[in-house]
Amino acid sequence: DSGVTQTPKHLITATGQRVTLRCSPRSGDLSVYWYQQSLDQGLQFLIQYYNGEERAKGNILERFSAQQFPDLHSELNLSSLELGDSALYFCASSDSSLYGYTFGSGTRLTVV
Amino acid sequence: AQTVTQSQPEMSVQEAETVTLSCTYDTSENNYYLFWYKQPPSRQMILVIRQEAYKQQNATENRFSVNFQKAAKSFSLKISDSQLGDTAMYFCAFILSNAGGTSYGKLTFGQGTILTVHP
Repeated sequence: DSGVTQTPKHLITATGQRVTLRCSPRSGDLSVYWYQQSLDQGLQFLIQYYNGEERAKGNILERFSAQQFPDLHSELNLSSLELGDSALYFCASSDSSLYGYTFGSGTRLTVV
Repeated sequence: AQTVTQSQPEMSVQEAETVTLSCTYDTSENNYYLFWYKQPPSRQMILVIRQEAYKQQNATENRFSVNFQKAAKSFSLKISDSQLGDTAMYFCAFILSNAGGTSYGKLTFGQGTILTVHP
């Protein structure tokens, strides 16, 4: 157990639908990062939150949004889903030190 | 913008032998951290080793060591005595830090190298 919890582990949904992925960071970590990994691809940075505020944004589609709540858990909302959104979505948390980058086990999203 | 390049899409090695995975990066900043992550077939991202840019000494974690060449912006990973469980995708990653050691910005990954260890 890395200390970063992602739910659900697997999600199958139809095109056009909306889903919410949840991430609970490691205790004490204020930063949460979201990454997308398509099949056999590298990790694409989507967005970062730090203590409730958006800190950095990557190639995140307008159909996607995220937020971090006062208890520091984060949610990634994906709407109007397309087949190409099928991927593994990772959450990572950090305490901004050298030692604090920890990944969750990911949510595998399949859009059919 | 920072970039990370892994020029070897795939590598293979015999069990018990040594293999080196290459990584180069590009930045104009002086303070940063470098990492190698392992992603086995389970797809879990596992931190293998980390290096602070200001440290000359190369990091070592058991069978894993790095060759950090700051001037050349190179950060290779050496795996000694390769084991079947080392079979995985390996990612090199980079993040900026300030002079106080606090990182900021995103963790930037290379495209990965698939390593296969053969018995």
